Amino acid sequence: GAVVSQHPSRVICKSGTSVKIECRSLDFQATTMFWYRQFPKQSLMLMATSNEGSKATYEQGVEKDKFLINHASLTLSTLTVTSAHPEDSSFYICSARDLRGGSGNTIYFGEGSWLTVV
Amino acid sequence: GENVEQHPSTLSVQEGDSAVIKCTYSDSASNYFPWYKQELGKRPQLIIDIRSNVGEKKDQRIAVTLNKTAKHFSLHITETQPEDSAVYFCAASPTGTASKLTFGTGTRLQVML
Repeated sequence: GAVVSQHPSRVICKSGTSVKIECRSLDFQATTMFWYRQFPKQSLMLMATSNEGSKATYEQGVEKDKFLINHASLTLSTLTVTSAHPEDSSFYICSARDLRGGSGNTIYFGEGSWLTVV
Repeated sequence: GENVEQHPSTLSVQEGDSAVIKCTYSDSASNYFPWYKQELGKRPQLIIDIRSNVGEKKDQRIAVTLNKTAKHFSLHITETQPEDSAVYFCAASPTGTASKLTFGTGTRLQVML
């Protein structure tokens, strides 16, 4: 299957600072990437849809000024958690849609990033 | 928008038995239904998917069935093994390059020796 890489896998930051997480599609181009947040023992909650070359589409209740998304190329989307607070601590995971050949709607996930805000 | 419900939330089976997880969806426009397996702290892994033009798909010990009329789909794992223990998520999505997946709430499967 396609490869989606996410970095960093773990990050600890101080309250009030910003953290950037990168999501790369390694062997295919992704015009659309998705950012999810997952709390322990819960499902994946879509935060926003990242569109290459245009503004991200945020889900209801997600603060776009706090969770900045940039999708500047066909293989890279970044999520920046600004002015992080302890309640932002979570598992953040990206995914990308592989449209090559017969893959159609197949979506692959990055490894995820554990964010801890202290 | 789409709403996906998943049952049961936890499932314990003896090794070798079968496990069935069921999901329902609300949006009749959805036509792509993947299943993901997620181990603790790791990314969800696609294990099988089905599109609305078929009613059943099988891959070794794993099968998925789809009933579009009733808007439900199920995951069947036969001859379960300890390594099948994980959290399983169903999802639904309409076709389209920007179509997003809506996930079910997950099922924690435990296969006991």
